[in-house]
Amino acid sequence: AQSVTQLGSHVSVSEGALVLLRCNYSSSVPPYLFWYVQYPNQGLQLLLKYTTGATLVKGINGFEAEFKKSETSFHLTKPSAHMSDAAEYFCAVRGARNQGGKLIFGQGTELSVKP
Amino acid sequence: EAGVAQSPRYKIIEKRQSVAFWCNPISGHATLYWYQQILGQGPKLLIQFQNNGVVDDSQLPKDRFSAERLKGVDSTLKIQPAKLEDSAVYLCASSHDKGYNEQFFGPGTRLTVL
Repeated sequence: AQSVTQLGSHVSVSEGALVLLRCNYSSSVPPYLFWYVQYPNQGLQLLLKYTTGATLVKGINGFEAEFKKSETSFHLTKPSAHMSDAAEYFCAVRGARNQGGKLIFGQGTELSVKP
Repeated sequence: EAGVAQSPRYKIIEKRQSVAFWCNPISGHATLYWYQQILGQGPKLLIQFQNNGVVDDSQLPKDRFSAERLKGVDSTLKIQPAKLEDSAVYLCASSHDKGYNEQFFGPGTRLTVL
């Protein structure tokens, strides 16, 4: 079965500092991994995804994530935080083919950015 | 292209009342998902449709929740009767295949059960 664990329900950084949001996964099949962002009172927006191929994935708004199979991790990073990055971030793994491709989400990490 | 539409955006009801949510997916998207997002948690899939057929409803509390997608386009999720623990945001998403590509999410309906 697939599962996702996000380490830290809340992360606070200063504007301009490195953003690091941690995600570890468990999957019985080669994983497809996703990071979504959710702004207040809005739906989820895809930041980036890993399916196959290059393990360093670049997404929107300057975010990137690296798939590390040996560590079963898919951490999200951004070199320099901006105030507009304050939001809830969700890591997700796609379920196995016989599960219809549903997304299994972590519990989320709320990112705060201090001026 | 227009995104996933949901209505209403907010709903407050008393426990034991019934409520219905509506979702209109992106045009041409065959797959439609309903997720429940309880405060402080990640979204959890309730039901997945492929056209008008159910692919996965294993986590849908069928004694009180029902969903339909009669013409393979828009969908309705109903709760009857509602319980306090049903307070959550209900997210609808769609994708143009079985979900191996991006799922596009609507803004959600925030339900408060008093």
